[in-house]
Amino acid sequence: QKEVEQDPGPLSVPEGAIVSLNCTYSNSAFQYFMWYRQYSRKGPELLMYTYSSGNKEDGRFTAQVDKSSKYISLFIRDSQPSDSATYLCAMSSGNTPLVFGKGTRLSVIA
Amino acid sequence: SQTIHQWPATLVQPVGSPLSLECTVEGTSNPNLYWYRQAAGRGLQLLFYSVGIGQISSEVPQNLSASRPQDRQFILSSKKLLLSDSGFYLCAWNRREIGTGELFFGEGSRLTVL
Repeated sequence: QKEVEQDPGPLSVPEGAIVSLNCTYSNSAFQYFMWYRQYSRKGPELLMYTYSSGNKEDGRFTAQVDKSSKYISLFIRDSQPSDSATYLCAMSSGNTPLVFGKGTRLSVIA
Repeated sequence: SQTIHQWPATLVQPVGSPLSLECTVEGTSNPNLYWYRQAAGRGLQLLFYSVGIGQISSEVPQNLSASRPQDRQFILSSKKLLLSDSGFYLCAWNRREIGTGELFFGEGSRLTVL
């Protein structure tokens, strides 16, 4: 079993839809959870950061962490064409290198 | 504010040729530095990371090497490139004092080996 599993998609949705992106993991020591957004031919940029379990909201984006299920999610409300990108989940147990999922490619169609 | 510079942005190299990718970070001191490779369908693969000058940890045995000659400079090298070295190489940094693992990435270097 890989340490972090993420459905690579691609995922195509109409503008205005709610998008749900997910990752599962196997290492129970993970406690820092992040979502990065990567536009084509660019470096990833941090989108959301969550420590331990719970929810975090930032504008149209909501990150959820369920440590009991080893499952994290990113929700995008009122999706826009500018949200079209690859979304990577990443996690760490602390001051150790982040482990990344493979990324999910999202297209929001106007 | 902190910035990270990575170059060259794009390069095409023949098999067997050497490689040198450079990365520098400005606006911070004592950063952790990382090299990742991103290949199609394989996600981000950690290649090397460094917590200080001359301190390099290798995550994947391969045809590549890394060096950190200065506190904010990280170099990725190869003596002889293979076809399988093609990919998108990303340099990243984070703060040593913050044990959160949050990373800040450069713009990447796209390598094509022919």
